[in-house]
Amino acid sequence: AQSVTQPDIHITVSEGASLELRCNYSYGATPYLFWYVQSPGQGLQLLLKYFSGDTLVQGIKGFEAEFKRSQSSFNLRKPSVHWSDAAEYFCAVGASGGSYIPTFGRGTSLIVHP
Amino acid sequence: DTGVSQDPRHKITKRGQNVTFRCDPISEHNRLYWYRQTLGQGPEFLTYFQNEAQLEKSRLLSDRFSAERPKGSFSTLEIQRTEQGDSAMYLCASSYRGGVNEQFFGPGTRLTVL
Repeated sequence: AQSVTQPDIHITVSEGASLELRCNYSYGATPYLFWYVQSPGQGLQLLLKYFSGDTLVQGIKGFEAEFKRSQSSFNLRKPSVHWSDAAEYFCAVGASGGSYIPTFGRGTSLIVHP
Repeated sequence: DTGVSQDPRHKITKRGQNVTFRCDPISEHNRLYWYRQTLGQGPEFLTYFQNEAQLEKSRLLSDRFSAERPKGSFSTLEIQRTEQGDSAMYLCASSYRGGVNEQFFGPGTRLTVL
């Protein structure tokens, strides 16, 4: 069975600072990996996804993530955070065979200070 | 494309009552998913449909939970004899076909059971 660990429940950064949100997954084969963002009152929005190929994935809103198989990680990064990035961020892993239903982590809440 | 819509956005009910939620997917999407999200957790998969066929329902939380998609368009999720533990956000998502295609999420229905 697949699983996801997001070790940080809350992250606080200053506007303009860089950001890294951690995600570790457990899955026996090559996983499909996703990062979603959820703002209050909004549905989850896909930021980026990794299926194969280049391990550095570019997403929307200036986000990127790097798949590191040796560390079972898929950390999300952004070089300069904007106040509008304050939200809940979810990492998810999907099985590479079968129904691809994603398993989500518990989320990391990003707080941005002015 | 008006996105995935869910109705109602909020539902307050008394323990023991039945509730039904509706999800309207993006029109050309043939896959529809239901998730539950409790406070401080990521979405938890419940069930999904491809067109009108329910392909996975073993992860519905109990036999009090049921879902339908009678004409392959909108879907309903019903909870019978609600319990306080059913209080959560119920999310719907849709995708074109399935597999690695992106799931688009609705804003969710927040259920409060008194």
